[in-house]
Amino acid sequence: QKEVEQNSGPLSVPEGAIASLNCTYSDRVSQSFFWYRQYSGKSPELIMSIYSNGDKEDGRFTAQLNKASQYVSLLIRDSQPSDSATYLCAVNPQTGANNLFFGTGTRLTVIP
Amino acid sequence: GAGVSQSPSNKVTEKGKDVELRCDPISGHTALYWYRQSLGQGLEFLIYFQGNSAPDKSGLPSDRFSAERTGGSVSTLTIQRTQQEDSAVYLCASSLGRSQETQYFGPGTRLLVL
Repeated sequence: QKEVEQNSGPLSVPEGAIASLNCTYSDRVSQSFFWYRQYSGKSPELIMSIYSNGDKEDGRFTAQLNKASQYVSLLIRDSQPSDSATYLCAVNPQTGANNLFFGTGTRLTVIP
Repeated sequence: GAGVSQSPSNKVTEKGKDVELRCDPISGHTALYWYRQSLGQGLEFLIYFQGNSAPDKSGLPSDRFSAERTGGSVSTLTIQRTQQEDSAVYLCASSLGRSQETQYFGPGTRLLVL
């Protein structure tokens, strides 16, 4: 079983719609969760980090964490064509661990 | 300020040759990470440096891979006797401290082994 799993997509949404990206993780004691955006041919850039259960909002982005279900999601409201990218979910497996485990990413296309 | 820089941006080599990839982290960042991203795959952790501590090498796929970090700043990832399966994008990231902190990625080195 992979540490972090994501639906590879592609996920297509019309401009202005809400895009919902999902991620599950296997290590129950995971503490830190990150969403990175990666444009084609570019390096990942951090979108959101979340550490406790519930929702965290930043502009058009909302991260949701449910540790009991081992599930983290990213909602993008009012999706724009510029949001078209691959979104990577990353999990720090336990406090003090040195590395992040990344999912394979979900490719999002926002259709104008 | 300047971000993480990596060189070369692209490297084509022949099977069996050695390659060196360089990473220059953000000034003041004590933690440095190397990842590998193969086509259609997620980022695979390779190695982690934190200050003067012994590096975490648990992600290195074989003994052909090694890395060092001189003076707590610049890092070099060396791949000896390259194989075709080593072809990937090698990404370096740095952060202020441990991995709970945001990791900032460099542009990567695209390695192609013929």
